[in-house]
Amino acid sequence: AQKVTQAQTEISVVEKEDVTLDCVYETRDTTYYLFWYKQPPSGELVFLIRRNSFDEQNEISGRYSWNFQKSTSSFNFTITASQVVDSAVYFCALSGVFGGSQGNLIFGKGTKLSVKP
Amino acid sequence: GAVVSQHPSRVICKSGTSVKIECRSLDFQATTMFWYRQFPKQSLMLMATSNEGSKATYEQGVEKDKFLINHASLTLSTLTVTSAHPEDSSFYICSARDKGPIYNSPLHFGNGTRLTVT
Repeated sequence: AQKVTQAQTEISVVEKEDVTLDCVYETRDTTYYLFWYKQPPSGELVFLIRRNSFDEQNEISGRYSWNFQKSTSSFNFTITASQVVDSAVYFCALSGVFGGSQGNLIFGKGTKLSVKP
Repeated sequence: GAVVSQHPSRVICKSGTSVKIECRSLDFQATTMFWYRQFPKQSLMLMATSNEGSKATYEQGVEKDKFLINHASLTLSTLTVTSAHPEDSSFYICSARDKGPIYNSPLHFGNGTRLTVT
């Protein structure tokens, strides 16, 4: 079975603080993809990153960085110098490739990030 | 980049009526489309998977007669909520996958439809 756990339900930080959102996943697939999406109050899902299971290199994109640790089945997301505009719900998601999967995403429950000025 | 258009973005309907939500892939052919439902402050739950030209596959607990899915072409899938009730009020999001191998065709999401049944 596939599962994504985001243990942090809500996080509140003050602007300019760094914040890390945790994501732990479970899958039996040897090939899979991990994603992070941002959902602002307007509701749409904003794609942030897609990482395949064979690429454990960490990635940095501006103030965003991702740490993929296959040994601990984690794919954590860090926002450096947070801004008010970062306030949103962030979802971690998993997609299998084989085993009958058609590519749908299994979502975690999301972490609501509030960045206060 | 690839765009998925979902319409309408908001709809309010009376209990007992039916509502149709459209999901279109604008610049690619979507062999597979997914419909998700999101209750307030909760995660997205897959409702069904629709493949062009065949019947949709529904997740356990989703009533296929209530949530009718039609994937008539490679660019359009529709979700019809029949005989809507207040408990059907939710945020519905579609997503579409480009043709080609799963490992090379990411999902693209629509902007969602907020359904309110009064």
